[in-house]
Amino acid sequence: GAGVSQSPSNKVTEKGKDVELRCDPISGHTALYWYRQSLGQGLEFLIYFQGNSAPDKSGLPSDRFSAERTGGSVSTLTIQRTQQEDSAVYLCASSPLGHSEAFFGQGTRLTVV
Amino acid sequence: AQSVTQPDIHITVSEGASLELRCNYSYGATPYLFWYVQSPGQGLQLLLKYFSGDTLVQGIKGFEAEFKRSQSSFNLRKPSVHWSDAAEYFCAVGAPYSGAGSYQLTFGKGTKLSVIP
Repeated sequence: GAGVSQSPSNKVTEKGKDVELRCDPISGHTALYWYRQSLGQGLEFLIYFQGNSAPDKSGLPSDRFSAERTGGSVSTLTIQRTQQEDSAVYLCASSPLGHSEAFFGQGTRLTVV
Repeated sequence: AQSVTQPDIHITVSEGASLELRCNYSYGATPYLFWYVQSPGQGLQLLLKYFSGDTLVQGIKGFEAEFKRSQSSFNLRKPSVHWSDAAEYFCAVGAPYSGAGSYQLTFGKGTKLSVIP
């Protein structure tokens, strides 16, 4: 596609439910990032994928958070047993190998009620 | 660990006025510095970046930034602001992933810019 695509754009879920957020990176981009943007808190790094290398999971805030990237393309961020503090905008970005600019999607706004 | 401070949460300027957004960073090695802009409901777009060389870097939309190592700063400037510049601006420092050419970005909390017509 023309840009990084994220779905859904908005998600409202009940506390305790699991949610899956999807990211379709730009075709051919080998690097994929997930960030969380909370109100007034800026962007928080969650996880990084690069090709077939082991992902950098150092930013995942708890074991309720996980992510996978299938076939080096689409990525899914899963949050289990959601809590109200998980409410935020989740941003995905991708970049081609050897390129420093990360191209961001428009994000998924998650609201946990 | 790296960190970024953007001291101004919200700035309001008149259209046509000059703009400077402040950014201070903490990083143990040569910093890789970025400025991103986020318009309402949009993702982030890269304005400019600094890796090495000339400390004054030019970006898109008429923006520039100056790297000052002695002050650990990377302030963003624009000589004449347009109403369309109203957005949120994020400064970031990048820690490189070895051999990949990509960076783990640590962002500041952002500065919201309002422009008075």
